[in-house]
Amino acid sequence: AQKVTQAQTEISVVEKEDVTLDCVYETRDTTYYLFWYKQPPSGELVFLIRRNSFDEQNEISGRYSWNFQKSTSSFNFTITASQVVDSAVYFCALSEAQLNSNYQLIWGAGTKLIIKP
Amino acid sequence: DTGVSQDPRHKITKRGQNVTFRCDPISEHNRLYWYRQTLGQGPEFLTYFQNEAQLEKSRLLSDRFSAERPKGSFSTLEIQRTEQGDSAMYLCASSLPNDRGRGTEAFFGQGTRLTVV
Repeated sequence: AQKVTQAQTEISVVEKEDVTLDCVYETRDTTYYLFWYKQPPSGELVFLIRRNSFDEQNEISGRYSWNFQKSTSSFNFTITASQVVDSAVYFCALSEAQLNSNYQLIWGAGTKLIIKP
Repeated sequence: DTGVSQDPRHKITKRGQNVTFRCDPISEHNRLYWYRQTLGQGPEFLTYFQNEAQLEKSRLLSDRFSAERPKGSFSTLEIQRTEQGDSAMYLCASSLPNDRGRGTEAFFGQGTRLTVV
C-alpha cells in the first residue's frame, strides 16, 4: 500500500534560520511521483515541486531545496533563511505514474511551519 | 483569474439539510478531482472526473454524496442529509492529462469550508 509519513507535526523557528521538513514514503511501484504543496492560512494548496522516481537529482529553487533519496524513501524539503511568509502547512504527497493512472494523490498529514519574526 | 475557483468559500448548514458546492477548473484541464480535508489532516481523495466521466469514487463517498460534471467543464458536489461529521474543507483540483506516464501537477482551488451545526 502507498503511504506518506510526515513525522513532524509542527516546527517553530526564528526568521532567517534554515529548516528541513521530512517526508518518508512507501510504495511498491517502481514509477511514481512525489510532490510538495504549501497550504497558507487562506486554504489554497499551492504546488511547489514534482519529482519522478527516476530523477534523484536534488533541486534548488531560490531559498527552497529538495533532497530525494530513494535508498531511504525520503523526499525532504529545506527552506534556507526562512521568512515569516513561509509560515504555512506543508504537505508531501505521492502518486502512481502508470499510464492512464487516475493520478490519485496520497497525502501526508502535513507539517505546520511557524516562522517567528 | 485563471485558477481553480470554488463557490461558496464558506457554508454553514443545519444537520439534515442538503448542500451543493461548485468548482470551476482551469479551462484547458480535462481532469477534475474532489478532496475532503479535516483539521490537521492531509486531503482525502473523494472522486475524479476525466471530462464528463466520473472514473473513480472513494469509499469515503457515501450514497449521500454525489458529484457531477455534466459538460466536462464545471463540477458540482452535493451532500444530502448533512451530518456533523461532514464538516470539513472540500477542495477541488484540476490537471492536464497524464500523458505517457508523465504525471502533471494538480492545481487546487481555495476550497469550500462546510460547517454542519
